[in-house]
Amino acid sequence: GAGVSQSPSNKVTEKGKDVELRCDPISGHTALYWYRQSLGQGLEFLIYFQGNSAPDKSGLPSDRFSAERTGGSVSTLTIQRTQQEDSAVYLCAISDGGGFNSPLHFGNGTRLTVT
Amino acid sequence: AQSVTQLDSQVPVFEEAPVELRCNYSSSVSVYLFWYVQYPNQGLQLLLKYLSGSTLVKGINGFEAEFNKSQTSFHLRKPSVHISDTAEYFCAVSDDGNDMRFGAGTRLTVKP
Repeated sequence: GAGVSQSPSNKVTEKGKDVELRCDPISGHTALYWYRQSLGQGLEFLIYFQGNSAPDKSGLPSDRFSAERTGGSVSTLTIQRTQQEDSAVYLCAISDGGGFNSPLHFGNGTRLTVT
Repeated sequence: AQSVTQLDSQVPVFEEAPVELRCNYSSSVSVYLFWYVQYPNQGLQLLLKYLSGSTLVKGINGFEAEFNKSQTSFHLRKPSVHISDTAEYFCAVSDDGNDMRFGAGTRLTVKP
């Protein structure tokens, strides 16, 4: 997606291993979101970063999930001790100012497969 | 919390036929409604949004949607579809602008 680069595009890992997913947005976007898209499900909100405010972590499904955003730009989503139910496409999205007035620009996602 | 239901997981139509993709939402407060589209092998992009004002909103590529508060619906329509409209369409709702909830998606397949 324009303005958001996610890596890797595909990741296959064994159950129990840790994985780190990266989101690299074009600078200048203050709001950054992580979503998860599972087969047949909608986009599940995970976490939201807005400027220097404390992130909204209310969507993280368990304490195995964590995310950080360094320098207000690059963000990493870390999943510890992966489980098979973690298999999904993880999407990063950015907006200009946060909130509904600014449309979300999505990356192409990271497809995670836990075997 | 708000939620979204997309009633059809798949919608096959022939080229130049009209199409309606259904979306119903639930929320206890005022809502803001969106449709996003994901073309094959591409990221999601905003199709249109309803924030306030006119209940009929127009988006890109000839799509439009109508907000119906009494029926809690925000159905997406296009009078004549093209092959290039084949994609996955997601309805989304937000009541505070930060926590955007998405539906499960509707896969529109346009056949020649």
